[in-house]
Amino acid sequence: AQKVTQAQTEISVVEKEDVTLDCVYETRDTTYYLFWYKQPPSGELVFLIRRNSFDEQNEISGRYSWNFQKSTSSFNFTITASQVVDSAVYFCALSEAGAYNTDKLIFGTGTRLQVFP
Amino acid sequence: DTEVTQTPKHLVMGMTNKKSLKCEQHMGHRAMYWYKQKAKKPPELMFVYSYEKLSINESVPSRFSPECPNSSLLNLHLHALQPEDSALYLCASSQARGSSYNEQFFGPGTRLTVL
Repeated sequence: AQKVTQAQTEISVVEKEDVTLDCVYETRDTTYYLFWYKQPPSGELVFLIRRNSFDEQNEISGRYSWNFQKSTSSFNFTITASQVVDSAVYFCALSEAGAYNTDKLIFGTGTRLQVFP
Repeated sequence: DTEVTQTPKHLVMGMTNKKSLKCEQHMGHRAMYWYKQKAKKPPELMFVYSYEKLSINESVPSRFSPECPNSSLLNLHLHALQPEDSALYLCASSQARGSSYNEQFFGPGTRLTVL
């Protein structure tokens, strides 16, 4: 069965601290995709990154970086020099092949990040 | 234009009302999704449309009825809802599988309250 685990329910940091959000996944598929989404208090889920199972290169985008390790089935997300605007719930997700060429997203339970000034 | 729009933003309805939620995207995506999200929980998939055909129904009660009039529009018709159906309803769209770009783009959601 496919599963995504985000063990950290809530993290609180002070502005400018670095913070890492953990994501561990389980799948039997050899081809799969991993995602991170941000959900601010307004409610909209904002797409941050997609990584496919054949690409283990880490990625950096501004203050955001992602570490994908197939050996440990992890896809962790680091925010460097956190800011108050980073306060949100962050979801890690795994895509499962669905019927008729669509993808089902399996979400983790989310990590609520609070950044205090 | 990576935008999915949803109307209304908020909806309050009684258990005997009939209402509809609307979703629109103009990204040329051929897959569209309805999710339900309760407070402090991840989104739960309800329905998936692919090329305007219903491809996945996650055993959703019949009081929720989806409709995809064309490739840009997705509706969710609501009838005889229960108070426990109160939640944030999110619409999303994506390119069909087979593309390298299969991320789902979400709308801002409709916050539904059933009295």
